Amino acid sequence: QQQVKQSPQSLIVQKGGISIINCAYENTAFDYFPWYQQFPGKGPALLIAIRPDVSEKKEGRFTISFNKSAKQFSLHIMDSQPGDSATYFCAASFSSNTGKLIFGQGTTLQVKP
Amino acid sequence: DVKVTQSSRYLVKRTGEKVFLECVQDMDHENMFWYRQDPGLGLRLIYFSYDVKMKEKGDIPEGYSVSREKKERFSLILESASTNQTSMYLCASSLSGSYGANVLTFGAGSRLTVL
Repeated sequence: QQQVKQSPQSLIVQKGGISIINCAYENTAFDYFPWYQQFPGKGPALLIAIRPDVSEKKEGRFTISFNKSAKQFSLHIMDSQPGDSATYFCAASFSSNTGKLIFGQGTTLQVKP
Repeated sequence: DVKVTQSSRYLVKRTGEKVFLECVQDMDHENMFWYRQDPGLGLRLIYFSYDVKMKEKGDIPEGYSVSREKKERFSLILESASTNQTSMYLCASSLSGSYGANVLTFGAGSRLTVL
């Protein structure tokens, strides 16, 4: 019930294409869903986050789509660029919690020029 | 502009050695965390701390302990390192409160190899 399952494990996309990473969770009490981006040699950094009272959140080329009934959420990267090549982690937590995030398994994205 | 600093980027230790991983943050954050990152397993929480001298177990605390004597410093201790503790260790911090607590700032990581 505490797991977050992320897919695919790796993804190769052509420059200009759309990258889609999916996550599923079991615990319906989760109410905060962030995505973190990690470049090689760096720690993860918060990219974008959503709460379940909205179905979509967009920041530039990055969009989170949230399906509460299916207990799934996904990250869409529009017009993918080589600079987006990184590892992406979804996560879930309780907003009342003190930062104890449950992370997915990670997706390594490669955007080919 | 470094906000979470992990003192050792790469360490090589032998089985049975005691290992200290140090983490310092300069953002006056109340919460600090130690995660372990392994391919295909994502990030798994080892220990976290809400305040000085306070600690709580995460999901995989076995074989680890922590120390937080000062607000800005959180240390991870491997009492007797084993080969299955070879991994990337990530320290993170966040503010207290329902909004800021979930916004984690991570260090660059410490890659530990146990031979």
